[in-house]
Amino acid sequence: DAGVIQSPRHEVTEMGQEVTLRCKPISGHNSLFWYRQTMMRGLELLIYFNNNVPIDDSGMPEDRFSAKMPNASFSTLKIQPSEPRDSAVYFCASNPQVAGDTQYFGPGTRLTVL
Amino acid sequence: KQEVTQIPAALSVPEGENLVLNCSFTDSAIYNLQWFRQDPGKGLTSLLLIQSSQREQTSGRLNASLDKSSGRSTLYIAASQPGDSATYLCAVSSSNSGYALNFGKGTSLLVTP
Repeated sequence: DAGVIQSPRHEVTEMGQEVTLRCKPISGHNSLFWYRQTMMRGLELLIYFNNNVPIDDSGMPEDRFSAKMPNASFSTLKIQPSEPRDSAVYFCASNPQVAGDTQYFGPGTRLTVL
Repeated sequence: KQEVTQIPAALSVPEGENLVLNCSFTDSAIYNLQWFRQDPGKGLTSLLLIQSSQREQTSGRLNASLDKSSGRSTLYIAASQPGDSATYLCAVSSSNSGYALNFGKGTSLLVTP
């Protein structure tokens, strides 16, 4: 298996622009997680899905952030409009069961908002 | 809210030393605890997963222990090598976070030749 796939790997954009990050989980995994990593706050959960349904989005910082999972093999995280404080590495992870299993992380998307 | 703390934040040791990384968490109602490794600019690699009913897990030179009642875990690295240099992250999956992971801020390890 190719593992969790994220695109783009790097994104540089200007403040106010829309940014869309993409994730393809490992085939057969039914849980998908979006995390954000910054120097100040470390790794934080943004949202997670189980069977394509959002279960907990309490970590989404504000209405500028939205996430979708239209099918079992694809998810997007959108920021509109983007701000410099959104600059971070965004990780997607999946696992085959909801509890008790390890999560498999993608390589991350490094976002820089100028 | 589950809080995960890792001590020390950074550690530098000469090659060959045995070392211990510490992790503590505030809510003992966990499903499991994981240790990850992160190399600079890279993603996370899972090293060890300890289920809540287990006390320890071993993989090669790595041994992780879990004391749920005291809210502590340790990662023991034997005979450290320069290739072990990385950031080590502790994460717990617990009832008040659903099944997502709460991460500590990591311990940055440097093993010098």
